[in-house]
Amino acid sequence: SQELEQSPQSLIVQEGKNLTINCTSSKTLYGLYWYKQKYGEGLIFLMMLQKGGEEKSHEKITAKLDEKKQQSSLHITASQPSHAGIYLCGAGMGSGGSYIPTFGRGTSLIVHP
Amino acid sequence: DAGVIQSPRHEVTEMGQEVTLRCKPISGHNSLFWYRQTMMRGLELLIYFNNNVPIDDSGMPEDRFSAKMPNASFSTLKIQPSEPRDSAVYFCASSTLGLAGGRGEQFFGPGTRLTVL
Repeated sequence: SQELEQSPQSLIVQEGKNLTINCTSSKTLYGLYWYKQKYGEGLIFLMMLQKGGEEKSHEKITAKLDEKKQQSSLHITASQPSHAGIYLCGAGMGSGGSYIPTFGRGTSLIVHP
Repeated sequence: DAGVIQSPRHEVTEMGQEVTLRCKPISGHNSLFWYRQTMMRGLELLIYFNNNVPIDDSGMPEDRFSAKMPNASFSTLKIQPSEPRDSAVYFCASSTLGLAGGRGEQFFGPGTRLTVL
């Protein structure tokens, strides 16, 4: 099973609609990263959440971290075609204090104009 | 800044051939990561270096894979001999992981798309 589970796996929305992507961890989260990947390209860093309850925004994208639920959500308001791509969450998931960068499988987002 | 540079961008080779992928990290970054991305398995960490020293290579599939980082500005991932199941996109990323003031986010290169026939 995946240590970081993302849902949904894919999402198709109409331009202007709001949407939410979730990332659930099988272990305690001490911090979490969100990245975006355009098709055929490398990952681009969006934001990092370090503390429980922390919320950050970048343009129309907002992410929250709920440490108790071992979960993070990424919310896009008034989606645009430029938001299309694959969104991945990532965290250090090693045991015994080791740091092993781990990523979710990603959520593929398509925004229809 | 040029960002993380990877070469080649595309590689097509025949089974059994040696393949070498190259990466130049961002200057000043102390950590370098090699990943493999496939539809079936997603993004998998192969190995990462901190200050040119391999820290974790548990993701390296088998002895056919090897990685080196001879200095802070260059790393290679070698597959010898290559097999069709090695076909994937290989990403290199660098970071300021552990450095004072660094957030630890990774900066990814554009990837090398490897096809083994």
